Amino acid sequence: DVKVTQSSRYLVKRTGEKVFLECVQDMDHENMFWYRQDPGLGLRLIYFSYDVKMKEKGDIPEGYSVSREKKERFSLILESASTNQTSMYLCASEEGLRYEQYFGPGTRLTVT
Amino acid sequence: DAKTTQPPSMDCAEGRAANLPCNHSTISGNEYVYWYRQIHSQGPQYIIHGLKNNETNEMASLIITEDRKSSTLILPHATLRDTAVYYCIVRVAGAAGNKLTFGGGTRVLVKP
Repeated sequence: DVKVTQSSRYLVKRTGEKVFLECVQDMDHENMFWYRQDPGLGLRLIYFSYDVKMKEKGDIPEGYSVSREKKERFSLILESASTNQTSMYLCASEEGLRYEQYFGPGTRLTVT
Repeated sequence: DAKTTQPPSMDCAEGRAANLPCNHSTISGNEYVYWYRQIHSQGPQYIIHGLKNNETNEMASLIITEDRKSSTLILPHATLRDTAVYYCIVRVAGAAGNKLTFGGGTRVLVKP
């Protein structure tokens, strides 16, 4: 079974802090994604990566950056956390034959 | 620009089949129909997808109409653990950064 793990299930940070969210997949998938999910707004793509050191902006990249130094790990960075970044953050890894996306359990981030 | 339309909620009796409809009247020839579900406080879970033929796997069956404008996800023997929000998505498989866009979904409640 594909496994996607995220570093924390719950996280509380203060405004202005730098926040790192990590995602690891164990299936050698090329494509990885970071989404945020908010009530009434559905799933929104922040960034994706289709190879090591390769990244592309999604729909809402402002205030975020990403890092992919190794194929299995895709990190989301909030440079200076703000209260409007309080959300559920979901990482996904995509299988390249049937293009199924496998999600991690999510990180519920609260910025106070 | 919602591409799919689903009923907001439905109830199902435990042990009975659950039939979840989805309309996607503007689907393009190269777009697949994907189904995901999200159990409360968890990441979305891939269920099944198809292009034009009916598909079946260990979780569910997918019936796509001949004109491809609608489809039905069938959970053959619903259990309490199938209580979740079910999302029907149309997307092109194989494009880099091909995000998932979740609409409102159908909230399924399986009752004993």
